[in-house]
Amino acid sequence: GAGVSQSPSNKVTEKGKDVELRCDPISGHTALYWYRQSLGQGLEFLIYFQGNSAPDKSGLPSDRFSAERTGGSVSTLTIQRTQQEDSAVYLCASSLSITSYEQYFGPGTRLTVT
Amino acid sequence: GDSVTQMEGPVTLSEEAFLTINCTYTATGYPSLFWYVQYPGEGLQLLLKATKADDKGSNKGFEATYRKETTSFHLEKGSVQVSDSAVYFCALGTQGGSEKLVFGKGTKLTVNP
Repeated sequence: GAGVSQSPSNKVTEKGKDVELRCDPISGHTALYWYRQSLGQGLEFLIYFQGNSAPDKSGLPSDRFSAERTGGSVSTLTIQRTQQEDSAVYLCASSLSITSYEQYFGPGTRLTVT
Repeated sequence: GDSVTQMEGPVTLSEEAFLTINCTYTATGYPSLFWYVQYPGEGLQLLLKATKADDKGSNKGFEATYRKETTSFHLEKGSVQVSDSAVYFCALGTQGGSEKLVFGKGTKLTVNP
């Protein structure tokens, strides 16, 4: 069956612009997670959703970052006024529930801020 | 806070060599432990997991045992293959489930024929 998909696969943007990253989880998965993978910081947790609510936003690096999930399915991660330090691969994962242990990862969106 | 420390690479081995990648963790409570693998050009995949002390996770010839007394979850394989070349990440799941995964920095493994 279809796995987690993310779009775009690559995004180059100018410093100061806003970007939206999209994640389509596996159908039926109620939990959705965003992570960031960068050379300096490794893999960092950003936020997770259970259904449409986000109980834990502790990993969002600043108030320029926000995320939403609608209809218990698609999620968008928005970065406003992008900075060069935002350059990274943004990974989305989903799981059946937050207690199902296995998270399935998408291929990621590579964001480059110039 | 919770953290994972894994041996830094890169690691280069010949085919059929024995592999160990060390992983230790710091956590409050009783985390679940995972090894994820990222093959070249592909996304992260779960390799194996252990959810409580003394559990052994295994998959594709890889094994790791959850050692609470040494707070470790070392990855081992008796005989590596060229196809095992990848980046391996140790991770812990907080609060007994997987609400949030905390990852180590990854270890790049290259296996030469």
